[in-house]
Amino acid sequence: DVKVTQSSRYLVKRTGEKVFLECVQDMDHENMFWYRQDPGLGLRLIYFSYDVKMKEKGDIPEGYSVSREKKERFSLILESASTNQTSMYLCASNIGGANEKLFFGSGTQLSVL
Amino acid sequence: GQNIDQPTEMTATEGAIVQINCTYQTSGFNGLFWYQQHAGEAPTFLSYNVLDGLEEKGRFSSFLSRSKGYSYLLLKELQMKDSASYLCAVLPVITGGGNKLTFGTGTQLKVEL
Repeated sequence: DVKVTQSSRYLVKRTGEKVFLECVQDMDHENMFWYRQDPGLGLRLIYFSYDVKMKEKGDIPEGYSVSREKKERFSLILESASTNQTSMYLCASNIGGANEKLFFGSGTQLSVL
Repeated sequence: GQNIDQPTEMTATEGAIVQINCTYQTSGFNGLFWYQQHAGEAPTFLSYNVLDGLEEKGRFSSFLSRSKGYSYLLLKELQMKDSASYLCAVLPVITGGGNKLTFGTGTQLKVEL
């Protein structure tokens, strides 16, 4: 089975802190994605990467950056956390084709105080 | 832009049949996905439709009409474990890499005795 692992299940950070969310997948997938999920808004794409060192902005990239130095790892970075970034963050990956299903990690619930 | 509509909540009885509708208006269309998400867990893939018609997979079926911008997920012989959020997601265009799915806000299904 494909496994997408997010490093933390719950995180509490203070406003202005730099925050790193880590995601690792073990199936040699080409594509990796970061979403945030908020009540009433659904899943929204922040950034995705289709190859090592490659990245593209999603629908809501403001306030975020990403890093993909190795194929299996995709990091989401909040340069200066703000309270409106309190959310559930979901990492996902897939094999490469545009119509390939996504495999999701269990999510990181981030609270910014 | 992209717009995906699905009901916020539905309630059904164990053993019954329920239909969850999804309508979409997107710039281009390259497929529609349904995902299931239990509370506190990662979304998991249920189905993918790109051609018109009904795709059946056990107790779950998914229907697509591209001309009407409409899909539904049909769940038969409902079980308590089917209580979950059901996410409709559309692939608007095929990008150079990855797939920028647009998700609806999800339908929370509650199965009662």
